[in-house]
Amino acid sequence: NAGVTQTPKFQVLKTGQSMTLQCAQDMNHEYMSWYRQDPGMGLRLIHYSVGAGITDQGEVPNGYNVSRSTTEDFPLRLLSAAPSQTSVYFCASSYYRGPHNEQFFGPGTRLTVL
Amino acid sequence: AQKITQTQPGMFVQEKEAVTLDCTYDTSDPSYGLFWYKQPSSGEMIFLIYQGSYDQQNATEGRYSLNFQKARKSANLVISASQLGDSAMYFCAMLSGSGNTPLVFGKGTRLSVIA
Repeated sequence: NAGVTQTPKFQVLKTGQSMTLQCAQDMNHEYMSWYRQDPGMGLRLIHYSVGAGITDQGEVPNGYNVSRSTTEDFPLRLLSAAPSQTSVYFCASSYYRGPHNEQFFGPGTRLTVL
Repeated sequence: AQKITQTQPGMFVQEKEAVTLDCTYDTSDPSYGLFWYKQPSSGEMIFLIYQGSYDQQNATEGRYSLNFQKARKSANLVISASQLGDSAMYFCAMLSGSGNTPLVFGKGTRLSVIA
C-alpha cells in the first residue's frame, strides 16, 4: 500500500492564481480530511469528508473547495490564491469517524503564495 | 466544543533522561480518543500512541507512555531514555465519538534533546 499520497510536494503561486492539491489513499478509508499547518497554530481543519459525495467544512474553510467523487481521492482547490494561504497542507484518512481510529497522514504540500 | 491545550511551547531534555509533555483536553462527550503525533524537521506526521476514554490502563508503546488522568482531563506523553532523534514537534490530538467532530490538535510542543 502506498498509504496517503499528496501532490505536489512544493508549489509557488502568484496571488489570484488557482490550483488543486491532490490527495489519494489506497486503504479504502471512508474518512478523509485536509489540514493546514501554520507556525504556532498547530494543525487546523479545512474540510473533511465522511464518504464519497459527502463533504463538510472545518475550522478554516474560506478560500477552499473540495469534492469527493471517489473513495480514493479528495482534492483541495484554491479558487484565488492569497498570501494568507501560504502554509503546509496535510491530507489525512481513516476508516471512519470515531474516537478509536488512527488517522494516517500524507507527507504534506508546502505552498507559497507571492 | 472540543479543545486541546499544550502549554509548553518548548522543552529541553538531556539525552537518556525522561521527559513529560503536557496535554489537557476538554470535551463533553464520554467517548473520545487521545493521540500523540511526532513531527520531525522533515515534516511528516508520525503516530506515536493512542488512549481511549474507556481504556482502564495507560497506553504504552516502547519508550512512549501516556499518563492518562481522566478526572483532570490530562493525557501527558512520557518519553523515557530520550534520544537525539526524539528532537521534534509533538502534537496532542483528540477525536470525539459523537457528531461531526474530526481530529482536533493542540498547538504543539517543540522538544530538544541535548547531548
